[in-house]
Amino acid sequence: GNSVTQMEGPVTLSEEAFLTINCTYTATGYPSLFWYVQYPGEGLQLLLKATKADDKGSNKGFEATYRKETTSFHLEKGSVQVSDSAVYFCALYSSGSARQLTFGSGTQLTVLP
Amino acid sequence: DTAVSQTPKYLVTQMGNDKSIKCEQNLGHDTMYWYKQDSKKFLKIMFSYNNKELIINETVPNRFSPKSPDKAHLNLHINSLELGDSAVYFCASSHTISGANVLTFGAGSRLTVL
Repeated sequence: GNSVTQMEGPVTLSEEAFLTINCTYTATGYPSLFWYVQYPGEGLQLLLKATKADDKGSNKGFEATYRKETTSFHLEKGSVQVSDSAVYFCALYSSGSARQLTFGSGTQLTVLP
Repeated sequence: DTAVSQTPKYLVTQMGNDKSIKCEQNLGHDTMYWYKQDSKKFLKIMFSYNNKELIINETVPNRFSPKSPDKAHLNLHINSLELGDSAVYFCASSHTISGANVLTFGAGSRLTVL
C-alpha cells in the first residue's frame, strides 16, 4: 500500500536559518506529491505540489523536488521566519488510493526570533 | 465567504452523550471528507462522500455515522461518546475532475469528552 514517512519533529530553528524537512514515500504507480501546512488553530492548507518526476513545487519561498529515483520530496526553505512556525505534512495521491490522500505524520516547526 | 465551514468549533461533552458536527462547503466541490487528528497531529481519514455517495469508509466504530444531505454538506454524528473520541475533526472537500488530490480543509472542530 501507499505510505509517507516524514522526519520526526519537533524542529526548532532560529529566524533566517535554512530548513529541510525530509519526506520519503512508497506508492504504486506514479503518485502526485504534496506539502500541506497547518498553522496553529487552523485547518491544513496546500503549500505546494508536484505531479511528476523532477517537477519542483514552490510557494512562499518553500520548494520541494519530486525525486523518483530516491522516492523523496524534501521540503526546503532558505531563510525561515517566525511566521513559518506550523506543522508540515507531506502527502501523496495515486490512482490506486481510492481518491484519498495518504498523509505523513506531520513535522512541527518552531522558528524563534 | 468561508470555503469550508464547520460547526461547532469547540465541543465539550460527557461520556455517553451523542453529538453532531456539521460541515458545509461553498466551492462547488463534489467530494467531501472527514478526518480525525489526534493529540500527536496524526491525521486519519474516516469517511469520504462523492455526490452524496459514500466512497471511503475506513475502519471506525459504527458509533460514527456520516450523513450527506447534498453534495455541499457532510455531517458527522457520534453516538455514545468515549474518552478516546477526543480529537480535532476536520472536514475537507475537493473537486474530482480538476483534482481529487487537492483538498480544502475546514478550521476543525475540537471535541473533548470528559
